[in-house]
Amino acid sequence: GNSVTQMEGPVTLSEEAFLTINCTYTATGYPSLFWYVQYPGEGLQLLLKATKADDKGSNKGFEATYRKETTSFHLEKGSVQVSDSAVYFCALSVNYGQNFVFGPGTRLSVLP
Amino acid sequence: IAGITQAPTSQILAAGRRMTLRCTQDMRHNAMYWYRQDLGLGLRLIHYSNTAGTTGKGEVPDGYSVSRANTDDFPLTLASAVPSQTSVYFCASSVSRGPYEQYFGPGTRLTVT
Repeated sequence: GNSVTQMEGPVTLSEEAFLTINCTYTATGYPSLFWYVQYPGEGLQLLLKATKADDKGSNKGFEATYRKETTSFHLEKGSVQVSDSAVYFCALSVNYGQNFVFGPGTRLSVLP
Repeated sequence: IAGITQAPTSQILAAGRRMTLRCTQDMRHNAMYWYRQDLGLGLRLIHYSNTAGTTGKGEVPDGYSVSRANTDDFPLTLASAVPSQTSVYFCASSVSRGPYEQYFGPGTRLTVT
């Protein structure tokens, strides 16, 4: 079946630190990959996506590259801010929308 | 409005009562979804609809029903609420072709006492 594994949190960083949140997946077929962000008390927002191998999704300083050979889609940001404190979800979709699979989420806290 | 709206924002409900959570989107997306989010369990799909007039069961459908009379609305009904249905409920929508990225509403926080 399809599944997504993320590094366990919480992750606590100081402002301006480098961020990596690991995500690996298993999927039957050729998935599209996503990162979502959830700020406290809000719904999930699409942060970035990639639809084929070696694609790099980027948004708001965050990046992730679709690595088919390692079945990974790690999220990175060069310099985090306090406002980046949130829960980050890695996700994939295959064939149909109801086959959307979310990882468990990783909570990030950025301290000033 | 732009995107997805959900109502109510929060609700406290006595066990055994009936409750309908409302969801409306204005993006003309064919597909819509209902999830529940529980601490430690992540997001779980309750029901989905790939197009108006059709619905399907997700991972945790028991105790919930949905209807899809038109493209924009996708209400979720709890016929007789139980405390285990205490959760945050999110409605989402997507186009019906790849990559099926989903867009989420702000959520409804439901407490069943």
